[in-house]
Amino acid sequence: DIVMTQSPDSLAVSLGERATINCKSSQSVLYSSNNKNYLGWYQQKPGQPPKLLIFWASTRESGVPDRFSGSGSGTDFTLTISSLQAEDVAVYYCQQYYNIPYTFGQGTKLEIK
Amino acid sequence: EVQLLESGGGLVQPGGSLRLSCAVSGFTFSSYAMSWVRQAPGKGLEWVSAISGSDGSTYYPDSVKGRFTISRDNSKNTLYLQMSSLRAEDTAVYYCAKALGSSTYSYFAYWGPGTLVTVSS
Repeated sequence: DIVMTQSPDSLAVSLGERATINCKSSQSVLYSSNNKNYLGWYQQKPGQPPKLLIFWASTRESGVPDRFSGSGSGTDFTLTISSLQAEDVAVYYCQQYYNIPYTFGQGTKLEIK
Repeated sequence: EVQLLESGGGLVQPGGSLRLSCAVSGFTFSSYAMSWVRQAPGKGLEWVSAISGSDGSTYYPDSVKGRFTISRDNSKNTLYLQMSSLRAEDTAVYYCAKALGSSTYSYFAYWGPGTLVTVSS
């Protein structure tokens, strides 16, 4: 199984500041035939299902604010929120869909400092 | 508008069985792979099954293989998860999720609100 490890487990950032969440996979999730990283990012607020933010490691889902961006390739990935807003308080998960079983990171809890 | 709505959760004794349903609308159900993902109280996300939209192939992690069965009724636009030999560690909110296309190798762009399954005596 591919193990997804996020860091940090929790993060406190001031409003308007940058938040960075890292995700590392135990093996590459880059599919060489199409040069795509099979990596997604989700946001989950209390009592709600996860919401897709980023897919193919760096493609923003329709309707997601452009302050959210994804980067990285192979085994190391980053979700960046360029200017933190109050509504961004949530738990963030990365997920690989390269191999079965599909696996998620343990989650990163983002709070306001 | 894509909509997913789970049902069938509830309290079940250890060793018991339960069938979850996920009614969908807003897209051609038969053309899309679907998955079930669960979340234990206060914990992270765990994928528990997938079914393709092409040939109906099914996939499971070892944690539920042989106990859970995913299926679909394309005529009713409904996804199912039959769960048996339930354990306390199966207690979770169960979400159904829609894939990008017919392949299960996909992110999940749409999720239902979830249904709670509690396994306890």
